[in-house]
Amino acid sequence: KNEVEQSPQNLTAQEGEFITINCSYSVGISALHWLQQHPGGGIVSLFMLSSGKKKHGRLIATINIQEKHSSLHITASHPRDSAVYICAVPVSQSGGGADGLTFGKGTHLIIQP
Amino acid sequence: DAGITQSPRHKVTETGTPVTLRCHQTENHRYMYWYRQDPGHGLRLIHYSYGVKDTDKGEVSDGYSVSRSKTEDFLLTLESATSSQTSVYFCAIKSSGSYNEQFFGPGTRLTVL
Repeated sequence: KNEVEQSPQNLTAQEGEFITINCSYSVGISALHWLQQHPGGGIVSLFMLSSGKKKHGRLIATINIQEKHSSLHITASHPRDSAVYICAVPVSQSGGGADGLTFGKGTHLIIQP
Repeated sequence: DAGITQSPRHKVTETGTPVTLRCHQTENHRYMYWYRQDPGHGLRLIHYSYGVKDTDKGEVSDGYSVSRSKTEDFLLTLESATSSQTSVYFCAIKSSGSYNEQFFGPGTRLTVL
């Protein structure tokens, strides 16, 4: 079973700062997911990546398969980026995600104006 | 939003009563999942389904049962609700293929008194 560790658990930053959230996992995977959840809100998929880097607007996700590590970066952070960011990987290596996801506990990000 | 709805969205019930939560999807996705989200634990997999009448247990399946008699509906039943089952429950779907993303429903907030 895959284990997922995220850091930091909580992060408060000023508007405009560059943000990095880290995720490590224990077992080789087919793809890693980054999710976003606003307070009281639903869960939105930001990225799914299996290698290299993906970019969507001010969000960048990278993954190093050999080191079993992924990072989520936010450039020019804004108060609307305040949310919980969650890393997730397949429950088992063989399942490929069909048998569900295992999640990190999330990073609670607050961007102050 | 991948056409996922959950009902009810909020429910308060008493210990010992049966409760059924419904997840409905409109896009014929093969895989469906039930997760619960709790402070300090994050999201955890309860049960999942890989087709009509095909289901399997997740990490925290004790006290829960599921049924999938139609592609579009995945039901989660608490046979005799306990206070430890107070949580927010999320349904998710995944298309066929190992690398596809999971999309989440809006969640059901369940309180067991």
